[in-house]
Amino acid sequence: QKEVEQDPGPLSVPEGAIVSLNCTYSNSAFQYFMWYRQYSRKGPELLMYTYSSGNKEDGRFTAQVDKSSKYISLFIRDSQPSDSATYLCAMSAGNQFYFGTGTSLTVIP
Amino acid sequence: EAGVAQSPRYKIIEKRQSVAFWCNPISGHATLYWYQQILGQGPKLLIQFQNNGVVDDSQLPKDRFSAERLKGVDSTLKIQPAKLEDSAVYLCASSLGGQGAGIQYFGAGTRLSVL
Repeated sequence: QKEVEQDPGPLSVPEGAIVSLNCTYSNSAFQYFMWYRQYSRKGPELLMYTYSSGNKEDGRFTAQVDKSSKYISLFIRDSQPSDSATYLCAMSAGNQFYFGTGTSLTVIP
Repeated sequence: EAGVAQSPRYKIIEKRQSVAFWCNPISGHATLYWYQQILGQGPKLLIQFQNNGVVDDSQLPKDRFSAERLKGVDSTLKIQPAKLEDSAVYLCASSLGGQGAGIQYFGAGTRLSVL
């Protein structure tokens, strides 16, 4: 079993839709939960991170962590064409990092 | 705050040639990572440094890949000789280490094409 599982998509939504991106994990020692956005031919850009459980909101983006279910989500409200990118989830325990394979998102104008 | 700097951005070489990539992490970040990212996949850790010491190089193909971080700041990753399957983006990332170890910041990456 992989440490982190992420549906690769691709996901295609109309502009203005609410997008839900998800990852599951198996290691209960993970403490930091991160979402990165990666545009084509660019390095991953840190979008949001959460320490331990709970929700975090930043503008149109909301990150949720449910440690009891070992499940994390990223919600994008009022999605824009500029949100079209690959979204990577990542988790860490100390200095050990684990990445999902990424979900490719396209927002259609 | 300056981000993680990487160079070159692109490199095209023939198989069996050698190539080197350079990375300068965010100032004050003790931990430095090199990743290989093949198209359509998540980053795969090659090597992790804490200051100038190696923490994890279990997935580094040591017969052809080498990396160093001599003064605990910038780092180089070398491939010698390159194979076709080494075509990928090589990402460098850094984190504070210690209590701040949980967050990594990435550079733009070096896209390597081996012909």
